Amino acid sequence: ETGVTQTPRHLVMGMTNKKSLKCEQHLGHNAMYWYKQSAKKPLELMFVYSLEERVENNSVPSRFSPECPNSSHLFLHLHTLQPEDSALYLCASSQPGTTLPGELFFGEGSRLTVL
Amino acid sequence: AQTVTQSQPEMSVQEAETVTLSCTYDTSENNYYLFWYKQPPSRQMILVIRQEAYKQQNATENRFSVNFQKAAKSFSLKISDSQLGDTAMYFCAFMAPFNTDKLIFGTGTRLQVFP
Repeated sequence: ETGVTQTPRHLVMGMTNKKSLKCEQHLGHNAMYWYKQSAKKPLELMFVYSLEERVENNSVPSRFSPECPNSSHLFLHLHTLQPEDSALYLCASSQPGTTLPGELFFGEGSRLTVL
Repeated sequence: AQTVTQSQPEMSVQEAETVTLSCTYDTSENNYYLFWYKQPPSRQMILVIRQEAYKQQNATENRFSVNFQKAAKSFSLKISDSQLGDTAMYFCAFMAPFNTDKLIFGTGTRLQVFP
């Protein structure tokens, strides 16, 4: 098993659909992150969870709803999305105090297309 | 607010040659961390090299080295003896020490290594 696994790898959805992205980490880390990667834009930090509590929400629209049921799993629930939400969504994990500062472990990403 | 700028959207280099990727940043902090992350096509982003601002010596990791110019707020990445496997997106990132593991990324530079 790789360190951080994201499913699905590709997702196409309509603007009225409800779907979820899943992230699972097998590294024993206690912090998990959602990033949005759009072409020609900096990676945008969306949410940070530490010890299963949300510690960061970077003004993300409410159509994105994160969930962290335990330290190994992170979800991003999607509903009523817009075409501009099409992007690569990256999950990452770390263990502040144990991993090197700033060393995030990323998944391969979920490529989302909103029609 | 801190910002990271990568002014080269795309670069190319021939195998075995040397290439330098540019990065500038803006901050009022005196202590911070800087990073280069590599994202190969359809693969996970990984940390390549990190630099702590209070260290004057430039970081080196095998064929990867940085030129850290604190006064100029410049942080370039040099890849020596380029290999085909170096083909990837390269992201420069900044982190303030009080924002443990909250990274601010640039827009990335796509590097193509040609045989």
